[in-house]
Amino acid sequence: AQSVTQPDIHITVSEGASLELRCNYSYGATPYLFWYVQSPGQGLQLLLKYFSGDTLVQGIKGFEAEFKRSQSSFNLRKPSVHWSDAAEYFCAVGPYGSGNTGKLIFGQGTTLQVKP
Amino acid sequence: SAVISQKPSRDICQRGTSLTIQCQVDSQVTMMFWYRQQPGQSLTLIATANQGSEATYESGFVIDKFPISRPNLTFSTLTVSNMSPEDSSIYLCSVEREGGTHEQFFGPGTRLTVL
Repeated sequence: AQSVTQPDIHITVSEGASLELRCNYSYGATPYLFWYVQSPGQGLQLLLKYFSGDTLVQGIKGFEAEFKRSQSSFNLRKPSVHWSDAAEYFCAVGPYGSGNTGKLIFGQGTTLQVKP
Repeated sequence: SAVISQKPSRDICQRGTSLTIQCQVDSQVTMMFWYRQQPGQSLTLIATANQGSEATYESGFVIDKFPISRPNLTFSTLTVSNMSPEDSSIYLCSVEREGGTHEQFFGPGTRLTVL
């Protein structure tokens, strides 16, 4: 069965430090992979996506992620964190279900806190 | 990307009542989805809403509790019926980007509190 695991529920980093958020998935074929960010009281914003090609993908706000098939991972990184990056981050994989339904499975989320 | 609006943005309701949430998209889309996000939790898919057909519900969600309408390619509603405090959640609609990449764009959400 398809699944997504974000092992870190909560991460605290200092402003200016590097960041890596982990995402592991279980999927029967090459997945479509996504990272979303949710700021307090907001909807979800797509940071980046992978579905083919170069395994290192660049996203908005200076984020990047690397698809590693051998490790079933799609970790999100940022070289220097800003206070405004404090938010909830969700990894998602899909599609699942019969037919080309486009449904996504979301991980449990990682809360990022940024220390000044 | 699509611009999605939801109404209301938040509401406080009494148990036993119903609330209808509206989702409006600025372009025509085939696939629309409704999610529930319980406090401190991830997103759980309630149903997929396609224009011209019945919504498809996920396990644990039923039409009597969460009736959905999809009258055209830019609009959908989700009703939360006979509410209880356990229905207190954020309800989000999303649309899938056309073209087969399965990207979803989300509305801002409706924060529902049931007393």
